[in-house]
Amino acid sequence: QQQVKQSPQSLIVQKGGISIINCAYENTAFDYFPWYQQFPGKGPALLIAIRPDVSEKKEGRFTISFNKSAKQFSLHIMDSQPGDSATYFCAASKGGSYIPTFGRGTSLIVHP
Amino acid sequence: GAGVSQSPSNKVTEKGKDVELRCDPISGHTALYWYRQSLGQGLEFLIYFQGNSAPDKSGLPSDRFSAERTGGSVSTLTIQRTQQEDSAVYLCASSLGSAGTEAFFGQGTRLTVV
Repeated sequence: QQQVKQSPQSLIVQKGGISIINCAYENTAFDYFPWYQQFPGKGPALLIAIRPDVSEKKEGRFTISFNKSAKQFSLHIMDSQPGDSATYFCAASKGGSYIPTFGRGTSLIVHP
Repeated sequence: GAGVSQSPSNKVTEKGKDVELRCDPISGHTALYWYRQSLGQGLEFLIYFQGNSAPDKSGLPSDRFSAERTGGSVSTLTIQRTQQEDSAVYLCASSLGSAGTEAFFGQGTRLTVV
């Protein structure tokens, strides 16, 4: 049973465009929602994270939008750049467990 | 080093052989995780160590898989009698262990079973 569902599986955008990746979760006990960025041959690295007490968090060109009632959260990459081309994973974890459950990943390609 | 270190970076083994994968976490990190990454399957949780507590082994796919963490630091993931379906990238991560703190990943070990 997949606890965190991520879409789309792949995404192609033009430089300067907006990239949007969506995730949905089932377990209402989840209380920490990080996004990880992974380049080929590297391990995932934390990009941005949010807790359910806020509906949005922005760091530079990256924004997480969180909808607690719908059990959904999304990553928005504004002004997408070729250097943003990578695989993005959403994740969720719950207090007391600390074990992140990951989505299946989205391969983003930003064309110059 | 400052980051999580995994060795070897690549491992090719024959079907039926045993393999050991090593992880050196960041110094001071009490939590250590092993994940498996297969093409198109995301990151599959395998096992979690937190301090001196009993490890959470709920993600291990079969009894051929085992892991230990010595002295609360270095961890070894062992796969016995490897099968072709074990081929994947095995990722290790460590964190400070409190809820919501960042998990730092190593670069992974790419295991190929031929």
